[in-house]
Amino acid sequence: AQSVTQPDIHITVSEGASLELRCNYSYGATPYLFWYVQSPGQGLQLLLKYFSGDTLVQGIKGFEAEFKRSQSSFNLRKPSVHWSDAAEYFCAVARNYGGSQGNLIFGKGTKLSVKP
Amino acid sequence: DGGITQSPKYLFRKEGQNVTLSCEQNLNHDAMYWYRQDPGQGLRLIYYSQIVNDFQKGDIAEGYSVSREKKESFPLTVTSAQKNPTAFYLCASSIGRGRFAQETQYFGPGTRLLVL
Repeated sequence: AQSVTQPDIHITVSEGASLELRCNYSYGATPYLFWYVQSPGQGLQLLLKYFSGDTLVQGIKGFEAEFKRSQSSFNLRKPSVHWSDAAEYFCAVARNYGGSQGNLIFGKGTKLSVKP
Repeated sequence: DGGITQSPKYLFRKEGQNVTLSCEQNLNHDAMYWYRQDPGQGLRLIYYSQIVNDFQKGDIAEGYSVSREKKESFPLTVTSAQKNPTAFYLCASSIGRGRFAQETQYFGPGTRLLVL
């Protein structure tokens, strides 16, 4: 069965520091991968997605992610964090078979806190 | 502006009561989804609909029901059979043109359901 693991429940970084949020997936074929961000009490916003091609994907708000098949990972990065980046981040993989294709399987999320 | 609206923002349920959460979209999307979010659990799929007058159970459908009579609307009813309904409920939609696994899901702002 497909699954997504986000090993870090909570991360704190200083403003201006670099950020890497980890995501590991389990899926035999090429996965369709997504990163979403959620501010407290709000819906989710798509940061970026990967389907195929270049393994380094650029997203909104200065985020990027790198797909590494050998490590089954899709880690999210940002070179310099801003206080407004404090939020919860979710990695997801899309089911890609049968009638349930397109349904997203989410990781449990990583909450990011930013120190001034 | 196009988007997804959910109402109400907060909803209170009494024991033995059914309650209905509204989800409306004006994005002209065919596919719609309902997710449940619990703290530290990520998002779990309740029901989804890829086209009007058709819907399928997700991973945690027990105690919930839906209808899809109009393209724009996908209401979720939390029945009295759902013994632990307190959660944050998110509705999403995607364009639904066949490649569901590659489609971006757009999320509404959510409804928080509390039990009195």
